[in-house]
Amino acid sequence: SQTIHQWPATLVQPVGSPLSLECTVEGTSNPNLYWYRQAAGRGLQLLFYSVGIGQISSEVPQNLSASRPQDRQFILSSKKLLLSDSGFYLCAWIRDSDTQYFGPGTRLTVL
Amino acid sequence: RKEVEQDPGPFNVPEGATVAFNCTYSNSASQSFFWYRQDCRKEPKLLMSVYSSGNEDGRFTAQLNRASQYISLLIRDSKLSDSATYLCVVNTDKLIFGTGTRLQVFP
Repeated sequence: SQTIHQWPATLVQPVGSPLSLECTVEGTSNPNLYWYRQAAGRGLQLLFYSVGIGQISSEVPQNLSASRPQDRQFILSSKKLLLSDSGFYLCAWIRDSDTQYFGPGTRLTVL
Repeated sequence: RKEVEQDPGPFNVPEGATVAFNCTYSNSASQSFFWYRQDCRKEPKLLMSVYSSGNEDGRFTAQLNRASQYISLLIRDSKLSDSATYLCVVNTDKLIFGTGTRLQVFP
């Protein structure tokens, strides 16, 4: 069966520090992968998606970047965090052409 | 107008009650529809897909009205464990998530 992992689960970082969040998928090959952010009291916002190694599409201009160095690995990064980057970051993959499954998420607090 | 709109709630209902959530979407070209459930501080999990003919899964019934561009979720015989936020999701060329409707079932 397919499993999606994210780490760390929780992160507290100061403003201006770098960020690296990792997502890996097991049990499938060449998945479409997604990064979402959920800010407090708000809906899920799609940040990036990737259909293959090295292929990244950005949905919104922001302080973040994404990379896909391996088929089942998706990384979210920032060089300098802002307060507004706080939120719940979710990695997801898609199955059956449109059904998405989410990882457990990383809760990021920027102070 | 938001692409997907939901009443944020909260809906506070006693155990055993029937509760219904509605969701409207703006893009008539939307292709598929889902309800997700999100527990506090957890990731969203797929509850059910929504088909034009309507579909049922145990105590849960989902309906789609393409003409009026709305989706509904009906929960019968509510349980305490149904307390969560229910997200309406619409697939156009990408998945658009509503902000969710919070349900609190009390004893």
